[in-house]
Amino acid sequence: GENVEQHPSTLSVQEGDSAVIKCTYSDSASNYFPWYKQELGKGPQLIIDIRSNVGEKKDQRIAVTLNKTAKHFSLHITETQPEDSAVYFCAARDPRGAGSYQLTFGKGTKLSVIP
Amino acid sequence: DVKVTQSSRYLVKRTGEKVFLECVQDMDHENMFWYRQDPGLGLRLIYFSYDVKMKEKGDIPEGYSVSREKKERFSLILESASTNQTSMYLCASNRWAQGLETQYFGPGTRLLVL
Repeated sequence: GENVEQHPSTLSVQEGDSAVIKCTYSDSASNYFPWYKQELGKGPQLIIDIRSNVGEKKDQRIAVTLNKTAKHFSLHITETQPEDSAVYFCAARDPRGAGSYQLTFGKGTKLSVIP
Repeated sequence: DVKVTQSSRYLVKRTGEKVFLECVQDMDHENMFWYRQDPGLGLRLIYFSYDVKMKEKGDIPEGYSVSREKKERFSLILESASTNQTSMYLCASNRWAQGLETQYFGPGTRLLVL
């Protein structure tokens, strides 16, 4: 099955700086890569996703890049704000068999934005 | 707005009790999922269902069972709760859409087994 590694596990940045979280996946067939943000006491919420036919996607201060050859994808947050402080999860979907229904998640990155 | 609701935010049970966690979604989604979330381990899939009365094991099904009698409702059952099942439980749902659609999560149930 798919295996997703996420780094770093914790990240502290000054307000206004950029934050980058990286994930690698093991199965070259994986074709969908969402990123979730989980605030304290809440369930994860999608912030951006990318499909394997796209190399980069941007939504305001958030961007995701995908390198299929190297099997890694990254989340970039620019001009960080205190409300960006949360746990971020990457995930990957293998389109084959039972995996076509499931996402495999990374272990999460706790981002702290220091005012 | 998609809404996934879970029956309890916090639950305290005793070892050996039978525990029911309920999840309801209001968007007519085909797929529903149960995860547990533990510090340092991320989200791990327990069971999922792609249709009424259908279920598939995820990565950690041992000690759990599920029930999906209606499309909007997916229940997680701990037949005999144990202390190592103390965790945060998250329910999620999505449309089939060939899997290329995000999962929508509920707020979670924090279960403590004493």
